[in-house]
Amino acid sequence: DAKTTQPNSMESNEEEPVHLPCNHSTISGTDYIHWYRQLPSQGPEYVIHGLTSNVNNRMASLAIAEDRKSSTLILHRATLRDAAVYYCILRDGNNYGQNFVFGPGTRLSVLP
Amino acid sequence: DAGVIQSPRHEVTEMGQEVTLRCKPISGHNSLFWYRQTMMRGLELLIYFNNNVPIDDSGMPEDRFSAKMPNASFSTLKIQPSEPRDSAVYFCASSRRDRARETQYFGPGTRLLVL
Repeated sequence: DAKTTQPNSMESNEEEPVHLPCNHSTISGTDYIHWYRQLPSQGPEYVIHGLTSNVNNRMASLAIAEDRKSSTLILHRATLRDAAVYYCILRDGNNYGQNFVFGPGTRLSVLP
Repeated sequence: DAGVIQSPRHEVTEMGQEVTLRCKPISGHNSLFWYRQTMMRGLELLIYFNNNVPIDDSGMPEDRFSAKMPNASFSTLKIQPSEPRDSAVYFCASSRRDRARETQYFGPGTRLLVL
């Protein structure tokens, strides 16, 4: 799997937008970009994923750079419940049987 | 849907004892994954199954670990004999198919402490 790089930690104020960056300079054309998050004492949960175009869902938005070497997860209005570790993961669409390789992720703190 | 169900949620055992962790995937999902999470190593994939068949067990630490999936709705991860270094949170996850764009749904985990 291509490798991703994320900041170890970030801080945000409640009700403000949060931009979580992820670098993946060795991404291949068939790699999907997945974001998961892990709330304290819970299993990871899906946030969003994309291939080339920006994506929106009820939880977040995913902005993918034109060269696909980086992406940004956007939480439009952070809440206290969004405090979690956020993982950016690549998965090769051409390689069946590959699985998620979780890095250390970004620990997001949300201040009231 | 109830989501991925794992049992027990907590397990405390003594070194040398056998430990069996259980997982019920989401109905209709064909792929099942076992992960282990520790502070030192983070989240690691141990083994995964596709249509009840083990596909990749390269993450299984050693022969003390074994996993089975006798049917589409049940899987076990067994550690025999257990050691203190096996203490971790073990997660089971399932997905509809083993494809790159598929979402994995994780269970709540089993917190294992080996004394």
